[in-house]
Amino acid sequence: AQKVTQAQTEISVVEKEDVTLDCVYETRDTTYYLFWYKQPPSGELVFLIRRNSFDEQNEISGRYSWNFQKSTSSFNFTITASQVVDSAVYFCALSEGAGSYQLTFGKGTKLSVIP
Amino acid sequence: ETGVTQSPTHLIKTRGQQVTLRCSSQSGHNTVSWYQQALGQGPQFIFQYYREEENGRGNFPPRFSGLQFPNYSSELNVNALELDDSALYLCASSSFQRNYGYTFGSGTRLTVV
Repeated sequence: AQKVTQAQTEISVVEKEDVTLDCVYETRDTTYYLFWYKQPPSGELVFLIRRNSFDEQNEISGRYSWNFQKSTSSFNFTITASQVVDSAVYFCALSEGAGSYQLTFGKGTKLSVIP
Repeated sequence: ETGVTQSPTHLIKTRGQQVTLRCSSQSGHNTVSWYQQALGQGPQFIFQYYREEENGRGNFPPRFSGLQFPNYSSELNVNALELDDSALYLCASSSFQRNYGYTFGSGTRLTVV
C-alpha cells in the first residue's frame, strides 16, 4: 500500500535561513509520481512540483529545490533564503501507476518563517 | 485559463442532514477528484470522476457520492451527516495527459453540529 511520511510536524526558522522539508514514501509500483503542494491559510493547495519515478534529476526553481533519491525513497524539499511569505503548510504526495489519479498525502509540515 | 472554484466557502449543517458541495473545474480538465481534509491532517482521497463516471474511490462509505457534468462542473453529496464529517472538502481537476499537477480549489469548510 502507498504511504507518505512527513516526520516534521512543525518547523520554525528565521528569515533568510535555509530549510529542508523531509518526505519519505512507500510504494510497490515502479511507475509513480511525487508532488509537493503548499497550503497557505486560505486553504487552497498550490502545486509546486511533479516528478515521475524515472527522473531522478534534482530540480531547482528559484529559491526552491528538490532532491529525489529512489535509493532512500525520499523526495526532500529545500527553501533557500526563506521569506515570511513561505510560511504555510507543505504537503508531499504520491500517485501510483500510470492510470491512477489518486493522490496520497503526508500529514504536512507547518513552516513558520519569523521576520 | 480559469482555476478551480468551489461553493459555498463555508457551510454549517446539523447531524443527519444532507449536503451538496459544488466545484467548477479548470477548463479542459476532464478528471475531477474530491478530498476530505480534517483539521491538522493531509487531504484524504474520496473519489474521482473521468468523463462523468466514477473511476476510483477511497475508503469512504456510500453516503459519500458524486456527479460530474459535461461542462466540467461536479458535485459532492454527503447523506446522513456525522460530526466527523466536519472538514475542509477540496476539489481537484486534471487533464488526462497529466502534464502538470492537479489544480485544487480553495475548498468548502463544512461544520456539522
